[in-house]
Amino acid sequence: GNSVTQMEGPVTLSEEAFLTINCTYTATGYPSLFWYVQYPGEGLQLLLKATKADDKGSNKGFEATYRKETTSFHLEKGSVQVSDSAVYFCALSRGNTPLVFGKGTRLSVIA
Amino acid sequence: DGGITQSPKYLFRKEGQNVTLSCEQNLNHDAMYWYRQDPGQGLRLIYYSQIVNDFQKGDIAEGYSVSREKKESFPLTVTSAQKNPTAFYLCASSTRLAGGFYEQYFGPGTRLTVT
Repeated sequence: GNSVTQMEGPVTLSEEAFLTINCTYTATGYPSLFWYVQYPGEGLQLLLKATKADDKGSNKGFEATYRKETTSFHLEKGSVQVSDSAVYFCALSRGNTPLVFGKGTRLSVIA
Repeated sequence: DGGITQSPKYLFRKEGQNVTLSCEQNLNHDAMYWYRQDPGQGLRLIYYSQIVNDFQKGDIAEGYSVSREKKESFPLTVTSAQKNPTAFYLCASSTRLAGGFYEQYFGPGTRLTVT
């Protein structure tokens, strides 16, 4: 079946450090891939998405590239801020089926 | 403002009582979903509905029930049969976008505490 594996957290970084959160997936065919962010006590917000191989999703300085050859969709940001502290979820979907989520990675950014 | 509303934000119940969590969307989305999130855990799918008057069980449907009588509403009832109901409950909806793929949007969540 479809599944998503993302790196375990927590990840603690200093402000302005480079961020990578790894995400790999298993799926038949060509899923759509997503990164969601969850701030404390809130719902999930869609951060970025990619719908086909080699697509790069980007938003708020975050980027992720859909790599079919490595079945990966790693999240990166060149310079994190304290306000980026949150839990990040990688997810995939096939058509209108429910999203399949990774377990989430908690990021803490220290000033 | 279009979006998904969940009410209330915090809900407290005594053990043995059924409780219904509200989820309303004015996005005109066909599909709606309920997820459960436990501390430090990912999201687990409880139920979903792709069209009015139809719904399917997710991975952890036992002890829960839903209805989908209107497109904009998808209430979740946590019954007394649910062994560990205390959790954060998230509602979502999705629609088909140009290019044929779907995006899912989430409500702010309801934190249920059962004692």
